[in-house]
Amino acid sequence: DIQMTQSPSSLSASVGDRVTITCRASQSISNFLNWYRKKPGKAPELLIYITSTLQSGVPPRFSGSGSGTNFTLTISSLQPEDFATYFCQQTFSSPLFTFGPGTKVDIK
Amino acid sequence: QVHLVQSGAEVKKPGSSVRVSCKASGGPFSNSSIAWVRQAPGQGLEWMGGIIPIFDTPHYAQRFQGRVTIIADEATNTAYMELNTLRSDDTAVYYCAGVRFGDLLRENWFDPWGPGTQVTVSS
Repeated sequence: DIQMTQSPSSLSASVGDRVTITCRASQSISNFLNWYRKKPGKAPELLIYITSTLQSGVPPRFSGSGSGTNFTLTISSLQPEDFATYFCQQTFSSPLFTFGPGTKVDIK
Repeated sequence: QVHLVQSGAEVKKPGSSVRVSCKASGGPFSNSSIAWVRQAPGQGLEWMGGIIPIFDTPHYAQRFQGRVTIIADEATNTAYMELNTLRSDDTAVYYCAGVRFGDLLRENWFDPWGPGTQVTVSS
């Protein structure tokens, strides 16, 4: 089974900060990696799919990169609505899927 | 724009079963590809299983094998997830999500998502 890890597990930041979250796979997953934002009490929202493709309607302050086993999600200028938990997801093993453990972004 | 509407909150006894429904509204949901994901209190997102018609049969996460059944009724645009032999640690919010495809079979992503169904298992 492919295991996903994320770092950091949590971080504190301020509005306007640049934030980078890392996701690592236990084996190469090529570019089959998605990112979701999860706010408390709300359903997850797709941000980026296939490593770097921005979902329609998602602000361009979000970007994704990487390949193989190492991936990053970058928020160029953190906004109030971005204080949430972020999850990566591998789809290399489709139709079996795995999420990372999440990175919580809270207010400094 | 397709929206997924889920059934209401459930309170169940340990050892019983729960069935959660997920209906697509606002338009047809092509190829009926649905995934089920849950989030227990204080925990992350956990993929439970799903149906992708091209693979012909449902697929389940190993830890739920034998305890979960996922079906899709294309006539009514409704998917169902049934979890049996409930335990207290099955208390969670259960989400359905549409599975989208890119050009390659492994290019999948989950969108849209249902609003979630709270399932509480308590004696």
